[in-house]
Amino acid sequence: QKEVEQDPGPLSVPEGAIVSLNCTYSNSAFQYFMWYRQYSRKGPELLMYTYSSGNKEDGRFTAQVDKSSKYISLFIRDSQPSDSATYLCAMRGTNAGKSTFGDGTTLTVKP
Amino acid sequence: EAGVTQSPTHLIKTRGQQATLRCSPISGHTSVYWYQQALGLGLQFLLWYDEGEERNRGNFPPRFSGRQFPNYSSELNVNALELEDSALYLCASTYRGDVQPQHFGDGTRLSIL
Repeated sequence: QKEVEQDPGPLSVPEGAIVSLNCTYSNSAFQYFMWYRQYSRKGPELLMYTYSSGNKEDGRFTAQVDKSSKYISLFIRDSQPSDSATYLCAMRGTNAGKSTFGDGTTLTVKP
Repeated sequence: EAGVTQSPTHLIKTRGQQATLRCSPISGHTSVYWYQQALGLGLQFLLWYDEGEERNRGNFPPRFSGRQFPNYSSELNVNALELEDSALYLCASTYRGDVQPQHFGDGTRLSIL
């Protein structure tokens, strides 16, 4: 079983919709949680970075972490066609080192 | 501030050949991480270098190797290339021992014919 499971998608929504992207994990050592956005033929771009349980908001993006349930989410409000990309969740422990990634969810926002 | 830069952008090889991929971290970053992203899959951790030393290695065969130079740039070498090595190879960097998130380059796409 993978340490990080991400809702596979693909996801297609109309412009302006609220999007919910989700990951679950099994390793209790994970303490830092990231969401990356990856456009075609590009590297992952950091969107959100959180440490503790709770919500963190940045513009139209909200990251939610529930450590008790080992569940993280990314919400996108007022989605735009430019949000069309693959979204990757990632996690790491307290020791500097590798991050463990989900397989990604491909989102298409239709005008 | 320049981001992580990787070269070449695309590399085409045949089975059995050797490939060398290069990465320059963000200025001031001393840790470099290599990941493999096969088509449609997430990132698989390959190697972590810090201060010139290999600190951690993912579940890949020994024909995947690398090094970090005194200026903190890094090379990934893949020997005896196999068809399944075709993937996007991504490099990321952070400050030493930093748990801040990794910043990625745009990768080298390695195609094995």
